[in-house]
Amino acid sequence: DTGVSQDPRHKITKRGQNVTFRCDPISEHNRLYWYRQTLGQGPEFLTYFQNEAQLEKSRLLSDRFSAERPKGSFSTLEIQRTEQGDSAMYLCASSLPIGGKTGELFFGEGSRLTVL
Amino acid sequence: TQLLEQSPQFLSIQEGENLTVYCNSSSVFSSLQWYRQEPGEGPVLLVTVVTGGEVKKLKRLTFQFGDARKDSSLHITAAQPGDTGLYLCAGGLRGGPSNTGKLIFGQGTTLQVKP
Repeated sequence: DTGVSQDPRHKITKRGQNVTFRCDPISEHNRLYWYRQTLGQGPEFLTYFQNEAQLEKSRLLSDRFSAERPKGSFSTLEIQRTEQGDSAMYLCASSLPIGGKTGELFFGEGSRLTVL
Repeated sequence: TQLLEQSPQFLSIQEGENLTVYCNSSSVFSSLQWYRQEPGEGPVLLVTVVTGGEVKKLKRLTFQFGDARKDSSLHITAAQPGDTGLYLCAGGLRGGPSNTGKLIFGQGTTLQVKP
């Protein structure tokens, strides 16, 4: 399978704990995105990378959130000192820019976080 | 502030009916994409429109991009139960030095088609 994979698929944690999610994009895609989605709503942009460079971060990404893509391949999203409001589906997507425009985003199945 | 407003947010119809979903913004987008998402899965691209006034058809689905590239619509003819899902529009914003930017999603339209 050469699609976007995310791990873990589900994570239940207690408030105050740290969690880390991993995303493996489609290998030839140089862009990688993180989104957060709550039930029945559209994905909210968190951050994106072009190769290893983090080009933009949303104001939603508080100091407790950090994302890395050290070698321009897989990425990790860490949430420190989790709060109940962090409970959501965290989606990763990858793409290839086409003609200077944002190309199709290929999404993983997401990592669902529940903070108790 | 929601950049992309989708309406309606929820739609429940009978099989065979037609429907239209709207996606509106005050911002101009370089491209606009429509995705469909099923429970427990990530969104999957249906279509990309890039030219103002563009119309694309995908079987029973018709997509239109507004002349000013600020709005779009998705029309489904003779809806079927298999069309049930969350429909999302997403606009491509112009970015920084790379001249490509992030994709901003609307709130989504949950469609339920009853047999």
